[in-house]
Amino acid sequence: QSVLPQPPSASGTPGQRVTISCSGSGSNVGTNSVNWYQHLPGTAPKLLIYDNIQRPSGVPDRFSGSKSGNSASLAISGLQSEDEADYFCASWDDSLNGWVFGGGTKLTVL
Amino acid sequence: VQLQQWGAGMLKPSETLSLTCAVYGEPFSGWSYNWMRQAPGKGLEWIGEINPSGSTRYNPSLKSVTMSVDTTKSQFSLRLTSVSAADTAVYYCARAEYSYIDEWGQGTLVIVSS
Repeated sequence: QSVLPQPPSASGTPGQRVTISCSGSGSNVGTNSVNWYQHLPGTAPKLLIYDNIQRPSGVPDRFSGSKSGNSASLAISGLQSEDEADYFCASWDDSLNGWVFGGGTKLTVL
Repeated sequence: VQLQQWGAGMLKPSETLSLTCAVYGEPFSGWSYNWMRQAPGKGLEWIGEINPSGSTRYNPSLKSVTMSVDTTKSQFSLRLTSVSAADTAVYYCARAEYSYIDEWGQGTLVIVSS
């Protein structure tokens, strides 16, 4: 079981907006930044959101992040077929003194 | 920047897992370097971190972990001794800034089976 629970699946139709949640605790999400990654099987995970809300250069502004208390969310607007992938969150954990991760959410574009 | 990793993909129980990750395209210093793994059907698990000076920290739930670094080659390595079937996983190397992991390797599937 992952330290940062996420829903195992999400879906939407092209053009829709979907959100993916990530729950944590005071030792990780509540205190430290949350980062989001897109992962296609067999490839390296790609950083989508860092420091809760920041987008690296090259990431479309359709992707946005938010955080409130011990929870964070990734929103994808204007859903496209190419967005079909696994998405997971990550945060530094002060108790572990290391990184903790969400279990990942498989996004299906219907 | 690109992280390229390699190592043996098939091991027998009690053998030693050894993986290496090379960093290309950007200076090696100024970042920390991490190993993670994902067992079948499970989430990612952080194994440990090393910085270019060689200081390390490991996940206390994992035994027999050693990380090393070779700054002359911009490489860092993972050793896990006395592996068992529970160590079967896809292993990832990654580079971290202060508050986020920004680059990952492509992953190496390691299967431990007799």
